Amino acid sequence: DAAVTQKPRYLIKMKGQEAEMKCIPEKGHTAVFWYQQKQSKELKFLIYFQNQQPLDQIDMVKERFSAVCPSSSLCSLGIRTCEAEDSALYLCSSSQSRGYEQYFGPGTRLTVL
Amino acid sequence: GQQVQQSPASLVLQEGENAELQCNFSTSLNSMQWFYQRPGGSLVSLFYNPSGTKHSGRLTSTTVIKERRSSLHISSSQTTDSGTYLCALGYGSSGNKLIFGIGTLLSVKP
Repeated sequence: DAAVTQKPRYLIKMKGQEAEMKCIPEKGHTAVFWYQQKQSKELKFLIYFQNQQPLDQIDMVKERFSAVCPSSSLCSLGIRTCEAEDSALYLCSSSQSRGYEQYFGPGTRLTVL
Repeated sequence: GQQVQQSPASLVLQEGENAELQCNFSTSLNSMQWFYQRPGGSLVSLFYNPSGTKHSGRLTSTTVIKERRSSLHISSSQTTDSGTYLCALGYGSSGNKLIFGIGTLLSVKP
């Protein structure tokens, strides 16, 4: 397995609180992706960074999330105000560049109470 | 409609039997990946296979672009093969974001 790291592994928040999760992409990878997987649902693309710049994201991320890659070795995904529907597994992946194989981290499981 | 469809939704085998998992897609692709999803949710990349056939041990992946399908063949299944198998279509001009199927839940019994 590729060495994509995610922290924390588990996160519990109350409705209305802010949440933040981090991803350390594999060294040398320039593309970083975030995906969301709700219980018994397929993974859903959230946002894509190339060389630390966000190049593609869904509307929900623009409206309610904050996502940045302050360095080539760290990205973060935040939720400004957690809602129950945000309870999900959040997976980060990285690849050498766009169009290459993606390697995934272990995920952060967020529970919003 | 759903752009990536996987079949069957679930499959039960006796150890030693072969499995054929299918992935059909309704849009053009840049890439195709097959993953094994562990019970805790993490994904293990099995194949990056935009076209043609690739082998890895007991696993074979075949992608036929013009027919918009990809398959994952598991030969001589083992109980440790049990779990969820996902196919994902890479597309998009600005990157290679993946569209995932819902998965095939494989159960291999001893």
